[in-house]
Amino acid sequence: GESVGLHLPTLSVQEGDNSIINCAYSNSASDYFIWYKQESGKGPQFIIDIRSNMDKRQGQRVTVLLNKTVKHLSLQIAATQPGDSAVYFCAEIEGYSTLTFGKGTMLLVSP
Amino acid sequence: GAVVSQHPSRVICKSGTSVKIECRSLDFQATTMFWYRQFPKQSLMLMATSNEGSKATYEQGVEKDKFLINHASLTLSTLTVTSAHPEDSSFYICSARGVSGGVQETQYFGPGTRLLVL
Repeated sequence: GESVGLHLPTLSVQEGDNSIINCAYSNSASDYFIWYKQESGKGPQFIIDIRSNMDKRQGQRVTVLLNKTVKHLSLQIAATQPGDSAVYFCAEIEGYSTLTFGKGTMLLVSP
Repeated sequence: GAVVSQHPSRVICKSGTSVKIECRSLDFQATTMFWYRQFPKQSLMLMATSNEGSKATYEQGVEKDKFLINHASLTLSTLTVTSAHPEDSSFYICSARGVSGGVQETQYFGPGTRLLVL
């Protein structure tokens, strides 16, 4: 069941601002990273991925940055919209193993 | 992105009954499927991994006799919660992953199944 007192880190932004969500990963051997967006009551939705041979990848309004030196991943969302409000998870994987998820960050976008 | 479907999206059942959840990859062949469980405000917890045609690998603490997983084809996996009890109430999410050119592909998730056991 739910752990008493557990809460997700929350990032609150205004509509139109740029958002940056950070993630520290644990396995230095991870070679593939994915950001997922999860809206309430729904499954995680793929946003963008990056392989370890890259340090930056851009999509539509989103950019993922990878710093392998400090094992840090970030997701930048440009011109954040209310529809971007959700929980964002980073995930790492090494080879053909299983995904390891981060704890998640809740993004709240106010009009 | 690729599409993964789950059915049913929501199920309410009496304690002691069994519930089957289906997961399908609609536009790609999933060599590996995963089943997750998620409690409110928590991250996804991996329950088991299954490869097509072979037995599932369960994570520590997950009872394989209670959560039966079948991955009969490259597009279908089922999770059966046997003799469900209220503590099994949760959000169950499947995920599917393919392989192309020897490189594992992105893992896509289904929409989830909300199970409520009364």
